[in-house]
Amino acid sequence: QKEVEQNSGPLSVPEGAIASLNCTYSDRGSQSFFWYRQYSGKSPELIMSIYSNGDKEDGRFTAQLNKASQYVSLLIRDSQPSDSATYLCAAYSNSGYALNFGKGTSLLVTP
Amino acid sequence: EPEVTQTPSHQVTQMGQEVILRCVPISNHLYFYWYRQILGQKVEFLVSFYNNEISEKSEIFDDQFSVERPDGSNFTLKIRSTKLEDSAMYFCASETSADESSTDTQYFGPGTRLTVL
Repeated sequence: QKEVEQNSGPLSVPEGAIASLNCTYSDRGSQSFFWYRQYSGKSPELIMSIYSNGDKEDGRFTAQLNKASQYVSLLIRDSQPSDSATYLCAAYSNSGYALNFGKGTSLLVTP
Repeated sequence: EPEVTQTPSHQVTQMGQEVILRCVPISNHLYFYWYRQILGQKVEFLVSFYNNEISEKSEIFDDQFSVERPDGSNFTLKIRSTKLEDSAMYFCASETSADESSTDTQYFGPGTRLTVL
């Protein structure tokens, strides 16, 4: 079973700080990785995708991928209370169809 | 901005009854998916669908489940005889291409909360 692992948290950061969310994956064949945000009772909302080793920045969000270490991370700069949500890490299965999700990390940004 | 829509938002049914969950994927998308999320648990893949056939299914997607694209816009998930453990949020997703090397990604609908009594 190919797994995507995340610390469930909660991760609590003060408003304006950097939140760092981490994810590891077991399938060395995985090529594509995604971060989704999920508010309670809502559907996953795509934040970022990353396919190559290194960093990818989009506004306040930076995704980092290290395939050698099988590690994906998401940094949120200048965290806002509205960023409080569960962040889901996902990777495609070998078939390229199914997304395997981690259990998610709960982030709480305190004013 | 185009989005995936799902109906109903909440479905309550009795154990053993059949339910049909409906989805309208984004119009130019070719690949369609169903996922479920039991309360407090992770999002789990059920099935993917392309060119009017199932391209992949998980162990969860047993004979009780079926999918159909009855017309050019709708994509449905049918559960023939619901069990208590089928209670979950069911998410539909769609994607332009399933090519893992592409930049296309899966976009999720708002979900249907299924409650089996």
